[in-house]
Amino acid sequence: AQSVTQPDIHITVSEGASLELRCNYSYGATPYLFWYVQSPGQGLQLLLKYFSGDTLVQGIKGFEAEFKRSQSSFNLRKPSVHWSDAAEYFCAVGEYGNKLVFGAGTILRVKS
Amino acid sequence: EPEVTQTPSHQVTQMGQEVILRCVPISNHLYFYWYRQILGQKVEFLVSFYNNEISEKSEIFDDQFSVERPDGSNFTLKIRSTKLEDSAMYFCASSEPTSAQETQYFGPGTRLLVL
Repeated sequence: AQSVTQPDIHITVSEGASLELRCNYSYGATPYLFWYVQSPGQGLQLLLKYFSGDTLVQGIKGFEAEFKRSQSSFNLRKPSVHWSDAAEYFCAVGEYGNKLVFGAGTILRVKS
Repeated sequence: EPEVTQTPSHQVTQMGQEVILRCVPISNHLYFYWYRQILGQKVEFLVSFYNNEISEKSEIFDDQFSVERPDGSNFTLKIRSTKLEDSAMYFCASSEPTSAQETQYFGPGTRLLVL
């Protein structure tokens, strides 16, 4: 069965510093990969997605992610974090037929 | 920008009571989903719905759960007899009809508390 692992439960970075959130997946076929962000009291907002093609995908709010098939990874990055980026980030893999399987999430704290 | 909406935002109910959670998907979307997130746990798939029938359901989605699209805009999740362990945030999502795997857009969620 497919699964998603986000090894870091919490990450704290300084405002202006770079960020990388890790995601590893287990899936037999070519995966559909997503990153969602959840701010407190809010729903899940799509940051970016990978379906095929260029393995470096750009998303909203200055985020990008790189699909590495050899490492079964889809890590999320941002070159300079803003205080408003503090939230919980979820990596997900989509099955053909629509179901999304989510990771446990990584809580990002930004210190000034 | 169109968005998925959900009502109510919070619901408190007594164990054994029926609850109906409501969702209005994005208007041209044809795939609909329910997920839940128990506090401190992963977001879990419950059910997907297409063409007026369930297309897939998880093992969580037992006989106590049902979904319905009663009209052209609403999509509901009913829990017939709530249990304490049903306390969770319930998310509705929808996606476009262009392929079997499209981006799912999520609503803000309904926080259900069963006492």
